[in-house]
Amino acid sequence: EVQLVESGGGLAQPGRSLRLSCATSGFTFDDYAMHWVRQAPGKGLEWVSGISWNSGGIYYADSVKGRTTISRDNAKNSLFLQMNSLRVEDTALYYCIRERSPSVTGSHMDVWGKGTMVIVSS
Amino acid sequence: DIQMTQSPSSLSASVGDRVTITCRASQSISTYLSWFQQRPGKAPKLLISSASTLESGVPSRFSGSGSGTDFTLTINSLQPEDSATFYCLQSYIKPITFGQGTRLEI
Repeated sequence: EVQLVESGGGLAQPGRSLRLSCATSGFTFDDYAMHWVRQAPGKGLEWVSGISWNSGGIYYADSVKGRTTISRDNAKNSLFLQMNSLRVEDTALYYCIRERSPSVTGSHMDVWGKGTMVIVSS
Repeated sequence: DIQMTQSPSSLSASVGDRVTITCRASQSISTYLSWFQQRPGKAPKLLISSASTLESGVPSRFSGSGSGTDFTLTINSLQPEDSATFYCLQSYIKPITFGQGTRLEI
């Protein structure tokens, strides 16, 4: 069974950092691109970042560019999102997503985790 | 960035009805359009990719159409479990962008 399990969320003060992780299983991790998408409480979906199978293609939303780094460890079947200089508006449920492609296209985001909640508040 | 605008923002329908949700892109995106369903408290689920390709396991009452800037998601013979929020997504140009969502109440 394909599984994506996010962790690392929690409460953080504005300006601080958090590192989100996504542990995957049930598929050949390095065959697939991966994404992070977030959803603020009661709001819609916002794409955050995507990374290709070999980390050769990395993309960010403007809202997080310069403050956020996506990475992956293919040996450990894991995806990460390092978030720095956190803002109140980063408060959201962060989903880890598999894309059915080795490249970051966004066209087949077919498996989603349950998400990890990030709350940024003083 | 490409803006995706969905309409309506919400709608109410009855079991057995047919509903159509529209998604309009601020510029042409060919058929780089996906549809997702998000039931309350759950993660989104990919229903349709490439504007009209139904994902495996998705009931055939769901269908998608369109190209360029205008797209539709049609649900025939509504079922109670179709209550959800539906999102379109464009993957033509990065950043990838979602529509604001359409809440469907059965």
